[in-house]
Amino acid sequence: EADIYQTPRYLVIGTGKKITLECSQTMGHDKMYWYQQDPGMELHLIHYSYGVNSTEKGDLSSESTVSRIRTEHFPLTLESARPSHTSQYLCASRQGANEKLFFGSGTQLSVL
Amino acid sequence: GQQLNQSPQSMFIQEGEDVSMNCTSSSIFNTWLWYKQDPGEGPVLLIALYKAGELTSNGRLTAQFGITRKDSFLNISASIPSDVGIYFCAGRTGTASKLTFGTGTRLQVTL
Repeated sequence: EADIYQTPRYLVIGTGKKITLECSQTMGHDKMYWYQQDPGMELHLIHYSYGVNSTEKGDLSSESTVSRIRTEHFPLTLESARPSHTSQYLCASRQGANEKLFFGSGTQLSVL
Repeated sequence: GQQLNQSPQSMFIQEGEDVSMNCTSSSIFNTWLWYKQDPGEGPVLLIALYKAGELTSNGRLTAQFGITRKDSFLNISASIPSDVGIYFCAGRTGTASKLTFGTGTRLQVTL
């Protein structure tokens, strides 16, 4: 069983608000990822981290930013949310060379 | 970047039927993973495959790493209603540091 948690599960906010999506894992995994997914569609990587103080942009351009100050925590921030940011955001983690990637339950974001 | 095409895009089957779906690429992959995603949830890992020709089972699910290393297959035997969801393949090439996800196969099971 994977221990990776995302909060909030659902978030509805107005345009222009700053938001932070939380992701924490208790497995001690060094690698963490953020994916963006529209309903029923494929997953697109927007950010990843290979360890503390390491962050990289993914394949899909995103206006969000991330930080990795602690191994277990990988929050994603949107400084000014827009309706185009409406989507599901999925956090994932894995350890070292282990290929198995474990996902959180996701945050469904709606920007009005 | 690499693209993974899943087929079929969606399936409507009756309870008890067997299901087959596949994932293909123009690139050679070193790892294949199969995930199931329920609505509003994150993907859950079903099976991981690490070498060409490998056949791995997880209960009623069986997945195979194609011998060309450009495809993978997932079979579900005797489907039940809780098999409903979207099935994603994911893979990693030798030079890539990140997984590539497929386009998904949506499975609907009727009673």
